[in-house]
Amino acid sequence: SQKIEQNSEALNIQEGKTATLTCNYTNYSPAYLQWYRQDPGRGPVFLLLIRENEKEKRKERLKVTFDTTLKQSLFHITASQPADSATYLCALPYGSSNTGKLIFGQGTTLQVKP
Amino acid sequence: GAGVSQSPSNKVTEKGKDVELRCDPISGHTALYWYRQRLGQGLEFLIYFQGNSAPDKSGLPSDRFSAERTGESVSTLTIQRTQQEDSAVYLCASSFRLAAYEQYFGPGTRLTVT
Repeated sequence: SQKIEQNSEALNIQEGKTATLTCNYTNYSPAYLQWYRQDPGRGPVFLLLIRENEKEKRKERLKVTFDTTLKQSLFHITASQPADSATYLCALPYGSSNTGKLIFGQGTTLQVKP
Repeated sequence: GAGVSQSPSNKVTEKGKDVELRCDPISGHTALYWYRQRLGQGLEFLIYFQGNSAPDKSGLPSDRFSAERTGESVSTLTIQRTQQEDSAVYLCASSFRLAAYEQYFGPGTRLTVT
């Protein structure tokens, strides 16, 4: 079965630096991959979706890469701000891309210090 | 417009009691999902509904769990004879349709079984 690995240790960086979070998966390559942000006590918020035929996707200060050979996605936040502090979740579809069912990683907590 | 809403926000119940959790999806969203998130863990898929199709119940952990959805609107997740291991945050999400579309999450219901 598909497994997702995200670094369970918190990532602490200084404001203004680039944060890089990793999502590794172990089995089949998914048709797409999503990244969500979750703040304490709240539901996840969708950030970006990248499809298997896309190497990179950008949205404002966010960049996601998808390497199906390495079975890895990297999530970058450039010019990080304390407001970026949150837990970031990687999610993949179960098997076929037509179900909408997602498997979530346990998330990596990012702390941006001023 | 209004986002996904869930009620109650918090529920404390005694072991062995039944609980009912409610989700109001975004209007026009045909797909609705339920997830469970244990403390410090990722989201665990429970069930999804898509339009008038039969729901995918493959993630329900036991027959004590059931869910219903009225058309393309409200959904209720029922847990019978609650156990302490059912304590978690139950999150509901909706999306415009299945697959490759971001999911919009509600704030969750925090269930504590004493």
